[in-house]
Amino acid sequence: DADVTQTPRNRITKTGKRIMLECSQTKGHDRMYWYRQDPGLGLRLIYYSFDVKDINKGEISDGYSVSRQAQAKFSLSLESAIPNQTALYFCATSEPGEGRELFFGEGSRLTVL
Amino acid sequence: AQSVTQLGSHVSVSEGALVLLRCNYSSSVPPYLFWYVQYPNQGLQLLLKYTTGATLVKGINGFEAEFKKSETSFHLTKPSAHMSDAAEYFCAVILTDSWGKLQFGAGTQVVVTP
Repeated sequence: DADVTQTPRNRITKTGKRIMLECSQTKGHDRMYWYRQDPGLGLRLIYYSFDVKDINKGEISDGYSVSRQAQAKFSLSLESAIPNQTALYFCATSEPGEGRELFFGEGSRLTVL
Repeated sequence: AQSVTQLGSHVSVSEGALVLLRCNYSSSVPPYLFWYVQYPNQGLQLLLKYTTGATLVKGINGFEAEFKKSETSFHLTKPSAHMSDAAEYFCAVILTDSWGKLQFGAGTQVVVTP
């Protein structure tokens, strides 16, 4: 089983619908992240959480919200999806400390029609 | 301001030829530097990283990268490309005072031809 699991892997939805992407991890890491990948733009940080009580906005948080339900679970929500939120979304985890690598899930591909 | 610049969005190399992917960062203080690889329909996997110490860093699958402070660069190389190296490669940095947040370059798609 993957250490970082994302569900769903693929989702097609319509404009205005509420969507939740879920992430769970078995690595025991305190830090969790949500990134968005768009062609030609690399990955951009949406939200990050350094522990259950610490949640922070990244560079592109508008239109998104998150919930850290437990150390192992970090969900990303789109309250009212719009077409330009069509993208590949990645959850990642890391240990605390300087220069720590991120461990990524396999991604959730979201299409908003 | 862009913190990480990857030169070339697509690179085509022949099997057995040198792979060279360029990455430059913009910071007056050397950051932590990473190269990740993304195979089709998969997440990102760490190839190698530089934090401190030796400036030539060896990673998985025969890749290596050299940190050059004077050039603010962290180019990725592999002496001999293999068909299995076809993937997208991302350079990333953690800047000081960024609370450990990883910032990515735009990525370079590598195609390997027989």
